Amino acid sequence: EVQLLESGGGLVHPGGSLRLSCAASGFTFNSYAMGWVRQPPGKGLEWVSSIIGSGAETYYADSVRGRIAISRDNSRNTLYLQMYSLRAEDTAVYYCAKGSREASGYNFDFWGQGTLVTASS
Amino acid sequence: DIQMTQSPSSLSASVGDRVTIICRASQGLYNHLAWFQQKPGKAPKSLIYDASSLQSGVSSRFSGRGSGTDFTLTISSLQTEDSATYYCQQYYSYPITFGQGTRLEIK
Repeated sequence: EVQLLESGGGLVHPGGSLRLSCAASGFTFNSYAMGWVRQPPGKGLEWVSSIIGSGAETYYADSVRGRIAISRDNSRNTLYLQMYSLRAEDTAVYYCAKGSREASGYNFDFWGQGTLVTASS
Repeated sequence: DIQMTQSPSSLSASVGDRVTIICRASQGLYNHLAWFQQKPGKAPKSLIYDASSLQSGVSSRFSGRGSGTDFTLTISSLQTEDSATYYCQQYYSYPITFGQGTRLEIK
């Protein structure tokens, strides 16, 4: 059974940093792309970042490029999202999602339960 | 960026009804289109991928059609548990983009 368990969310002051983690199990982690999708309170879904199975390629939304770094540790079956210079508009539930393929043309077939990040003073 | 536009934004239907949600892309996606269901306080759940393929374990009452720029999600014989918000998403090119969502209420 595929399981994705996010952690690391919380309250941070604007300008602060936070690192999210997503522990994966139930599938061969390094064979699939992974991504982060966020949802501000009461709003729709917004893709944030993706990384292919090997970790060699990463992709970012324009709204976060330069302030966020996605990475993965395939030996630990864990996905990360390092967030810097957080802004109020980064406040959202952050979901970890599994891709259906290793690199291109994948959809997100399984999602974690989400972790809430609140950037507020 | 590819813009995804869903219609309607909300709808209300009765148990047993058949409903269709439309998703239009600002450029062609081939068939790289997915549909998700999200209930309040829960993570999105994958329903359809590659425009018309049913995700494993999803009820056959859900079906998807389309290619290029026009896509539909149809739910036949509505059940009370289908009350949710539905999103389309393109994965043809980066940035990955979602539709704004369609809220479905069961009368």
